[in-house]
Amino acid sequence: AQSVTQLDSQVPVFEEAPVELRCNYSSSVSVYLFWYVQYPNQGLQLLLKYLSGSTLVKGINGFEAEFNKSQTSFHLRKPSVHISDTAEYFCAVSDPYNQGGKLIFGQGTELSVKP
Amino acid sequence: GAVVSQHPSWVICKSGTSVKIECRSLDFQATTMFWYRQFPKQSLMLMATSNEGSKATYEQGVEKDKFLINHASLTLSTLTVTSAHPEDSSFYICSAEPDRRSYEQYFGPGTRLTVT
Repeated sequence: AQSVTQLDSQVPVFEEAPVELRCNYSSSVSVYLFWYVQYPNQGLQLLLKYLSGSTLVKGINGFEAEFNKSQTSFHLRKPSVHISDTAEYFCAVSDPYNQGGKLIFGQGTELSVKP
Repeated sequence: GAVVSQHPSWVICKSGTSVKIECRSLDFQATTMFWYRQFPKQSLMLMATSNEGSKATYEQGVEKDKFLINHASLTLSTLTVTSAHPEDSSFYICSAEPDRRSYEQYFGPGTRLTVT
């Protein structure tokens, strides 16, 4: 079974600083990986996804993530954050061959951008 | 882009009553929809997978008789919380998958249920 660990529950950062949100997964099979953002009292919005191909994935709002198979990681990065990036971020994994589209989510990381 | 709506956005009900939450894909057809539950400051927990025209598949530990799911059309799935109790209070979020090949789910805005 897959599992996802987001290593930081809260990440405070100043505006225009770079940020990295860490995500590690556990799986015995090939998986697809996703990052979602959730603003207060809202649903989730897809930031980016890795299915195959290039290990560096670019998403919306200037975010990118790198898939590292040897370290089973999929860390999310942004070179310069804005106040509007303040939100909850979720890493998720799916096993498309055995479990269809089911997503397993990490615990979430609260990104707080301060002026 | 693909839009998923949920209705109502919030609901307060008395203990022992039933509540129905609707999830609609507005501009695409979804053969598969998912229902999640989220407690405050916690992650999303998958409750069930809903396939149009067939019975929902529930995750381990989710009571199928308490959380009734109906996926009657390609654009509508409903979750009914029967005989609700205060511990059922939570944020319920649905998602819809327009194309299995894209492996992308579009999420609704969520429904906050409070049982008094």
